[in-house]
Amino acid sequence: DAKTTQPTSMDCAEGRAANLPCNHSTISGNEYVYWYRQIHSQGPQYIIHGLKNNETNEMASLIITEDRKSSTLILPHATLRDTAVYYCIVTTGGNQFYFGTGTSLTVIP
Amino acid sequence: DGGITQSPKYLFRKEGQNVTLSCEQNLNHDAMYWYRQDPGQGLRLIYYSQIVNDFQKGDIAEGYSVSREKKESFPLTVTSAQKNPTAFYLCASSFWDQPQHFGDGTRLSIL
Repeated sequence: DAKTTQPTSMDCAEGRAANLPCNHSTISGNEYVYWYRQIHSQGPQYIIHGLKNNETNEMASLIITEDRKSSTLILPHATLRDTAVYYCIVTTGGNQFYFGTGTSLTVIP
Repeated sequence: DGGITQSPKYLFRKEGQNVTLSCEQNLNHDAMYWYRQDPGQGLRLIYYSQIVNDFQKGDIAEGYSVSREKKESFPLTVTSAQKNPTAFYLCASSFWDQPQHFGDGTRLSIL
């Protein structure tokens, strides 16, 4: 069941920040926001997740709005290896991970 | 290295044949999952298992079967009842309510 809305595709110049938006207006109080990415013909790779606070790790930053109805994944310095499909998922965990069609990010040299 | 290993990477099935896809993890995760991905589409859950000797159907279980005899292993059998088996199959594992970690998939095609 689609609980998130993401743009179909985006481009980003190499070395610039990539900002990937996600709308999840029906998110419940106990649902987390997760981000994964999938490089062609590989399994999805976990990036980051959060509940309501902004989160940062070595891969990316996750900014969640105060009303939790949308979020943005930020890749601070995009490289060609960041070209992939990025999935935004809202979930309570377990078997409730629904991967939609995501955003296809192309990093341009 | 800890991780999830799927084999084989490519698999071909003849009409009327059952095939089994292997998934092994050494992350000590309790839960394991099987997903199917069709070209240009998202992932759909086939089966999942929270603990050894227990598994549950996902959204598209018809034509598939699984077993969970060991914590490390969760093989998926694509039976002859699955009429459209050509797809990319992904296995994942996790501690329940924690991020799922995926293998690199098996691509199944029909001869």
